[in-house]
Amino acid sequence: GEDVEQSLFLSVREGDSSVINCTYTDSSSTYLYWYKQEPGAGLQLLTYIFSNMDMKQDQRLTVLLNKKDKHLSLRIADTQTGDSAIYFCAESGSGGYNKLIFGAGTRLAVHP
Amino acid sequence: DGGITQSPKYLFRKEGQNVTLSCEQNLNHDAMYWYRQDPGQGLRLIYYSQIVNDFQKGDIAEGYSVSREKKESFPLTVTSAQKNPTAFYLCASSMGQGGTQYFGPGTRLLVL
Repeated sequence: GEDVEQSLFLSVREGDSSVINCTYTDSSSTYLYWYKQEPGAGLQLLTYIFSNMDMKQDQRLTVLLNKKDKHLSLRIADTQTGDSAIYFCAESGSGGYNKLIFGAGTRLAVHP
Repeated sequence: DGGITQSPKYLFRKEGQNVTLSCEQNLNHDAMYWYRQDPGQGLRLIYYSQIVNDFQKGDIAEGYSVSREKKESFPLTVTSAQKNPTAFYLCASSMGQGGTQYFGPGTRLLVL
C-alpha cells in the first residue's frame, strides 16, 4: 500500500544546512509536499514539487526529487532557531479526491 | 484576511458525550478535510467533502460524523462510539480535487 517514511529526528547547529529526507511508495503521485508544524499549531505549507520536476528552489529551501528511487529531500540553508519544528513530507496518493499520505514527521532541533 | 479557523482551541469531553469541532474557511474552497494527529504519527484522514451536501469516509471514520450544509463550514462530531478520542484534530481545505491543502490551527481534544 501507500507509505511515506521519514527519519524522526535531526539536530543541526545554527547557520548550518539541514537536510530532511523522505521516501514514498506511490509512483503515481502527482505532487509531493513539505509542511512545517510548530508546537501546538496547524500545518504550514512550505513548498511542493510536481512529479515531473527534479528540483525546486524557494529562497532558503531546496527540494530535490529522485523519482526513480522515490526519494524526496528538503534542504534548509542557513538554518535558524526559528526553523525548529516538525517537518512532514506528504504525497498525493492515488484515488480521485486528492488524498494526502503523510510521513510521521521529522523533528528538527536547531542549537547554537 | 483569508484563512481557515477552528474552534475551540481546546475541548474537553466527558465519558459518553458527543462533542462538535468547528471548521470555517473563507478561501472559497470547494473541498474540506478532517485529519487526526496522534503523537509521533503522521496525519490520518477522517472524512472529506468535495462539495456542499456531499462527504466521504476517510481511513478512520468510525466514531465520527460530519455535515457540509454550507461551503464555508465542515463541522466534525466526535461521538461516544469513538473510544480513544484524545488527539489533535486538524481541518484543511483545497480549491478542489487535486488542489493544495491548507490547514487550520487545530483543536486539541482531551477526555476527562
